[in-house]
Amino acid sequence: EPEVTQTPSHQVTQMGQEVILRCVPISNHLYFYWYRQILGQKVEFLVSFYNNEISEKSEIFDDQFSVERPDGSNFTLKIRSTKLEDSAMYFCASSPGGTFDTQYFGPGTRLTVL
Amino acid sequence: AQSVSQHNHHVILSEAASLELGCNYSYGGTVNLFWYVQYPGQHLQLLLKYFSGDPLVKGIKGFEAEFIKSKFSFNLRKPSVQWSDTAEYFCAVSLNTGFQKLVFGTGTRLLVSP
Repeated sequence: EPEVTQTPSHQVTQMGQEVILRCVPISNHLYFYWYRQILGQKVEFLVSFYNNEISEKSEIFDDQFSVERPDGSNFTLKIRSTKLEDSAMYFCASSPGGTFDTQYFGPGTRLTVL
Repeated sequence: AQSVSQHNHHVILSEAASLELGCNYSYGGTVNLFWYVQYPGQHLQLLLKYFSGDPLVKGIKGFEAEFIKSKFSFNLRKPSVQWSDTAEYFCAVSLNTGFQKLVFGTGTRLLVSP
């Protein structure tokens, strides 16, 4: 069964550094998402992406964040200058679209900002 | 804004006990409803979903959920839990207007003792 994959599984970085989290969505899916979960808190929506542009973003997704689909398979989340409060598990999801759309999640990248 | 409440944060059961996890949402429009499960060390997996039709939905691994529109609820049930059901369970809601972000509850940690 096709799965969403994410790399790396764990990233440790220094405050102020740039990080890029990578995702490979399921191949025939058209809609892509990033969510994050700070330890002990809810899974929160960050951004959705369709047809090579952002379709919706949350208030968390400020100018420090960007997303890109650089080729036909990868979907990336970049954080330009990481802060301590960016430490979280970041989940990528994809969905095929349509009336009964369902999102499928990757295993997550645990980002630790020191 | 949509919100999802899961009132049970931690549940401890013995094997063969029955399970019911509460989920309530606040949104006046038509919604899609989901339960996701996260087993230890694994990614979010879809347990079941409701879009329309029969309000009693059956999912994988013997789980079911009932949508009660008048109560804005979508409670998850299983008649007899197993040790392997130990996991965190998340209720989520999306608007029924095409692809949309998921709004998650805080999750319920279920521990099933053998």
